[in-house]
Amino acid sequence: GAVVSQHPSRVICKSGTSVKIECRSLDFQATTMFWYRQFPKQSLMLMATSNEGSKATYEQGVEKDKFLINHASLTLSTLTVTSAHPEDSSFYICSAHTGDTDTQYFGPGTRLTVL
Amino acid sequence: AQSVTQLGSHVSVSEGALVLLRCNYSSSVPPYLFWYVQYPNQGLQLLLKYTSAATLVKGINGFEAEFKKSETSFHLTKPSAHMSDAAEYFCAVSGRGNKLVFGAGTILRVKS
Repeated sequence: GAVVSQHPSRVICKSGTSVKIECRSLDFQATTMFWYRQFPKQSLMLMATSNEGSKATYEQGVEKDKFLINHASLTLSTLTVTSAHPEDSSFYICSAHTGDTDTQYFGPGTRLTVL
Repeated sequence: AQSVTQLGSHVSVSEGALVLLRCNYSSSVPPYLFWYVQYPNQGLQLLLKYTSAATLVKGINGFEAEFKKSETSFHLTKPSAHMSDAAEYFCAVSGRGNKLVFGAGTILRVKS
């Protein structure tokens, strides 16, 4: 149980294009999902908290117009990187929180490369 | 505010030896504490968590951790390291709004 999927696992795009990453909780409902960014050899940096049916809450320094988050249902949150630039290249990881066990379960991550 | 300190960014042990990864936390409220493992190019997998029940928590893959309030520690141990344990390990404390605050991570290397 408590499986979280992300799609795609890898994406390469040209500078200036937008990329959408999906995060799904497969066998549980998640009222809260989190989006993280991880740079090489570093820990996870929380970007935003996504609550179903409401606007995402962004951490300080994260551009909400660049990283659009939608949490359309209790099992799906999406992150769209708009007008991507090479500095947006990173490993993006989502997690889904379940109140049943008060635990975050993580997706496998998405490697974004912007050329 | 919560914070987590992981002592040692790299730990190297021989196969079969004891694994000890250190984690100290700071929290203004009784904490929920977690250990996650990350293999290269993958997400995080939950190893174990402490939620104010038993202070000795057993997790997957033979790992366990002991919550010591007096030392504000939550060290991760495994009696005998296996080559497949080589990975990066993150300690985390749960804060406001169920957010996790992560430590910097410890890379475990297992030598044959």
